[in-house]
Amino acid sequence: AQKITQTQPGMFVQEKEAVTLDCTYDTSDQSYGLFWYKQPSSGEMIFLIYQGSYDEQNATEGRYSLNFQKARKSANLVISASQLGDSAMYFCAMREGFQTGANNLFFGTGTRLTVIP
Amino acid sequence: GAVVSQHPSWVICKSGTSVKIECRSLDFQATTMFWYRQFPKQSLMLMATSNEGSKATYEQGVEKDKFLINHASLTLSTLTVTSAHPEDSSFYICSAARLAGGAGTDTQYFGPGTRLTVL
Repeated sequence: AQKITQTQPGMFVQEKEAVTLDCTYDTSDQSYGLFWYKQPSSGEMIFLIYQGSYDEQNATEGRYSLNFQKARKSANLVISASQLGDSAMYFCAMREGFQTGANNLFFGTGTRLTVIP
Repeated sequence: GAVVSQHPSWVICKSGTSVKIECRSLDFQATTMFWYRQFPKQSLMLMATSNEGSKATYEQGVEKDKFLINHASLTLSTLTVTSAHPEDSSFYICSAARLAGGAGTDTQYFGPGTRLTVL
């Protein structure tokens, strides 16, 4: 089974509007971390936001927030007030366990976001 | 902070030659670095986990003799593609794990990637 599922291959959003990118995960671990990365056309992977499985509040970083619903195993990324520069590929990822540094990330297939002026 | 560099950013080589890619964490020490491969319009595929001072752990299906990894220091890991062939052409990305806070909060920061083209 896929550990990370992103069901939206592509999304469009009007500039200045909010958009939600879906992500569901599958793990039997109690301790895990969820990440969102942005990959523009240049190829670099830019870290956006992190949510730990024990964090009770949803993570927020500027215009990015993570809608964490543990019971449903979903970790959707919400981008508010979209900007043209937000057009990129977005990857949801999960790390199982809390062993510092040693755990690799499982990536979803990504969602290509296009912001329309 | 949390800057990871990769060098070179792109390389073109002839079939049969070897190519070395460097990954450096510039402002933090990383005991663990990861090497990924990404084909066009696909997700990242983990190739190996590199631990400073020990042998790398390779994922299933990745040839350790073809993709040599050396994690010589807490800020440098290298990936050498030996006897490269056209099917090795890909985008190679490294990441370094940095502890952001308490246990379990480490985050992987990625380098800008290296585009390898083997002719």
